[in-house]
Amino acid sequence: GAGVSQSPSNKVTEKGKDVELRCDPISGHTALYWYRQSLGQGLEFLIYFQGNSAPDKSGLPSDRFSAERTGGSVSTLTIQRTQQEDSAVYLCASSLALVVFEQFFGPGTRLTVL
Amino acid sequence: GENVEQHPSTLSVQEGDSAVIKCTYSDSASNYFPWYKQELGKGPQLIIDIRSNVGEKKDQRIAVTLNKTAKHFSLHITETQPEDSAVYFCAASGGFQKLVFGTGTRLLVSP
Repeated sequence: GAGVSQSPSNKVTEKGKDVELRCDPISGHTALYWYRQSLGQGLEFLIYFQGNSAPDKSGLPSDRFSAERTGGSVSTLTIQRTQQEDSAVYLCASSLALVVFEQFFGPGTRLTVL
Repeated sequence: GENVEQHPSTLSVQEGDSAVIKCTYSDSASNYFPWYKQELGKGPQLIIDIRSNVGEKKDQRIAVTLNKTAKHFSLHITETQPEDSAVYFCAASGGFQKLVFGTGTRLLVSP
C-alpha cells in the first residue's frame, strides 16, 4: 500500500509569511508524528497525535507553530510569521498505534524562508 | 529528558568491510531502540530495531546489540556494499513514542 505522503515537497516563502505543511499517514495508522531536521542535523521531535488528539505539544519551538489533525487521518503543520531559522526539512511519520513503536516516515517538506 | 549520542559522525569503509556505529543514551527507562537509514532527499527508513528485553537482533547483513547496563547500543553492517552508503540515525524511546534521535553517521562505502 501507499506510504506516508507529504506536500508540498518544497516550499520557498518570504520571512513573515504563514505556511501550511500537509501529511497523509499510512491508511489505518492512528498515531502521527511531526519532526524537524535542520541541515546536517538529527531529527527534532515536534508533536504527535493519537487520533485527533495531541497530548504533548512541548516539542513545538514557539507559539508560531501549531498542528491539527482531522478525521484521524490528514494532519497539517502551520507556521505563522515564518523566520529564517524555521528553514529545515519537516518530516511526518505514522505508526499503527501508540503502543506499536515502528514509525514510518514520509519524504519530508523542505522549507526555505528567505 | 532522554539524550542520545552517536559516533562516529562519518565512517568510510571499503566494500566488503564491516561497519560499526555506536550510540549511548541517558534515560534508563528507554525501552525501544530503532535504527534508520536516510538517503539523500528521502525520509528516514527503519532498517532494524531492538527492544530492551533483547540483547541482540540480526537481519541478514545487519545486526544491533544492546547493553542496558552500560546504556549503549550498536549497529553492525557486515559485507558492506556501495548501496549501504547513506546517513544512519539511532534513536531511543521511553514512552509515548517520542523518539529521541542521535545526530547521525554518514557512511561511505567505496567500491
